[in-house]
Amino acid sequence: AQKITQTQPGMFVQEKEAVTLDCTYDTSDQSYGLFWYKQPSSGEMIFLIYQGSYDEQNATEGRYSLNFQKARKSANLVISASQLGDSAMYFCAMRAPNTGNQFYFGTGTSLTVIP
Amino acid sequence: GAVVSQHPSWVICKSGTSVKIECRSLDFQATTMFWYRQFPKQSLMLMATSNEGSKATYEQGVEKDKFLINHASLTLSTLTVTSAHPEDSSFYICSAKPTGINQPQHFGDGTRLSIL
Repeated sequence: AQKITQTQPGMFVQEKEAVTLDCTYDTSDQSYGLFWYKQPSSGEMIFLIYQGSYDEQNATEGRYSLNFQKARKSANLVISASQLGDSAMYFCAMRAPNTGNQFYFGTGTSLTVIP
Repeated sequence: GAVVSQHPSWVICKSGTSVKIECRSLDFQATTMFWYRQFPKQSLMLMATSNEGSKATYEQGVEKDKFLINHASLTLSTLTVTSAHPEDSSFYICSAKPTGINQPQHFGDGTRLSIL
C-alpha cells in the first residue's frame, strides 16, 4: 500500500526565516515521483516542486528545495526566506507507476508566516 | 505551463437538483483526469479517475450513480452530482496530468458546492 505521512498539522515561521515541512512515504515501488503542492485559502492547488526516485540531486525551484533522503523515505520541503504570501496549506504527494498515475496525498501542513 | 480550467467556481442550489461541474485542460490533452473532494482543513480525497472514452474508475465508497463522470474528449471531463443533498456540500476539485511520467497533476481552481 502507498502511504504519505505529514506529521506537522501546523507550523509557524518568522518572515524571512527558513522552514522545513516534513513528509515521509511508504512504497514498495522502485520508481516513483514525489510532489509538493501549495493550497492558499482561496482553494487552488499550486504545484511547487518535483523529485524523482532516481534523481541523485535534491530538486530546487527558486525558494523551494526538497531534502530527499531515499533510504529514510523522506522528502521534506524547505522554504527559504519565508514571505507572508507563503501562508497556506502544503501537501506532499506521491505518484507510483503501479497505481495508474494516481497521486496519493498527505494530510497537509498549515504554514503561517508571522511578520 | 499546463492550465486546467474548472467551472463553475461556486454553486448554491436547492436540495434535489443536479449540478454539473466541468474540468477542461486548456493547453494539453489529458487521457486521464481526476476528481477529488475536500472537506474543510482536510486533505484531498480521490473520488474517481476519469478515463477518456471509457468508464470512470471510482474509489471505494463513492456512489457511481450519485457522482456521474463523463470524459467525452481529451480535454473535457464533467462531474454531475445527481439529486444533490446538503451532505454533498463540499469543495470539489479536478486535476489533469499531461503525458510524461514525471509530469505533475495540474489542478483546476475547484468548485464550492452548497446545497440548501
